[in-house]
Amino acid sequence: DAGVTQSPTHLIKTRGQQVTLRCSPISGHKSVSWYQQVLGQGPQFIFQYYEKEERGRGNFPDRFSARQFPNYSSELNVNALLLGDSALYLCASSLWAQADYGYTFGSGTRLTVV
Amino acid sequence: AQTVTQSQPEMSVQEAETVTLSCTYDTSESDYYLFWYKQPPSRQMILVIRQEAYKQQNATENRFSVNFQKAAKSFSLKISDSQLGDAAMYFCAYRGPMEYGNKLVFGAGTILRVKS
Repeated sequence: DAGVTQSPTHLIKTRGQQVTLRCSPISGHKSVSWYQQVLGQGPQFIFQYYEKEERGRGNFPDRFSARQFPNYSSELNVNALLLGDSALYLCASSLWAQADYGYTFGSGTRLTVV
Repeated sequence: AQTVTQSQPEMSVQEAETVTLSCTYDTSESDYYLFWYKQPPSRQMILVIRQEAYKQQNATENRFSVNFQKAAKSFSLKISDSQLGDAAMYFCAYRGPMEYGNKLVFGAGTILRVKS
């Protein structure tokens, strides 16, 4: 059974550009969360979506947006990229919104902004 | 706001020995969950162990166990019989009550090196 899959694995973008990151949750999981992990730090919560509705938003600017599709996959969009957006972006899925047993993470997308 | 602190940036352990990773957190809530995640060079975060705050009994998963001290807001991870495959970054994470959302709040992590 496939785990959480993210694409692409690596990405290089120029300042000011826009980027879209994709995530497919574990089959049957209805919740997808996005985290940003800057080098040397712990992951920071960006968004959670459950049943295609936003259930939570972290302290990130409006340049960050996301959506969830009917098949529960999700996209994270970042506009007007800044050098500081360079990070590992992790997607996590769970069966329900309330993940009492923790989330299953993907291997992430490494975004480099130059 | 809830915060999680891991005061040990890096730890080393000899293969087959025991090591303890520290974690403290700050919350005014009584109902919450705590987790330890492992992140190897492959980057994927892997759940190691979880603890429900309302349970006084410390969680155990094979060679991994926790020392949960609710009053002290401390949640340390003990790894027994350390193996080379345990080398990774370890993150402590907190998840509060439902009304505060389902987000995990992570500490800064501890790099664990295992020497053969």
